[in-house]
Amino acid sequence: ETGVTQTPRHLVMGMTNKKSLKCEQHLGHNAMYWYKQSAKKPLELMFVYSLEERVENNSVPSRFSPECPNSSHLFLHLHTLQPEDSALYLCASSQQHRQDYGYTFGSGTRLTVV
Amino acid sequence: GQQLNQSPQSMFIQEGEDVSMNCTSSSIFNTWLWYKQDPGEGPVLLIALYKAGELTSNGRLTAQFGITRKDSFLNISASIPSDVGIYFCAGPSGNQFYFGTGTSLTVIP
Repeated sequence: ETGVTQTPRHLVMGMTNKKSLKCEQHLGHNAMYWYKQSAKKPLELMFVYSLEERVENNSVPSRFSPECPNSSHLFLHLHTLQPEDSALYLCASSQQHRQDYGYTFGSGTRLTVV
Repeated sequence: GQQLNQSPQSMFIQEGEDVSMNCTSSSIFNTWLWYKQDPGEGPVLLIALYKAGELTSNGRLTAQFGITRKDSFLNISASIPSDVGIYFCAGPSGNQFYFGTGTSLTVIP
């Protein structure tokens, strides 16, 4: 399998649930990213990992907790979310952090918080 | 903070028509990237531009890196129904990587 794979594709969770989003890349890239995409808004960068170290955390609420166990896998752990957290969560990777060749995105996880 | 503004926000066109959209910024970019996002999918890179004035094509798509380095343009010729989606410009500036606000394209068969 190639590219960036995200699971699950769709997730519905209650505000008291705990769930995790998974991202896996088979491109040999060294940087991975979590983005949030809400309707009518630009993509919002949430977290950046470079060589498995977190290098950016853009004022994201603590109910979102990332984990990068190795350079191929990235998780986003979710707990006690709010309805306004419903969005498309996109994972991306790039060869190096902030390099000019662009990111490769996964298909996203459509999250609905009820 | 920096924002990449895309125009128009949305377009409804007839199949076969040509499409033009642009992206402007308040600061200089050294790289411009254009992505397309199909409904229910993640963005996919279409074209990358690295030099002011550069004109690059990818099939029916043509993108230009503006001379001022503060804008970029994307044209689609002879649109087809599968061109539907959201088109984003993007690029690094300073220590950040920015995405545009997007142009939503609907092609009417």
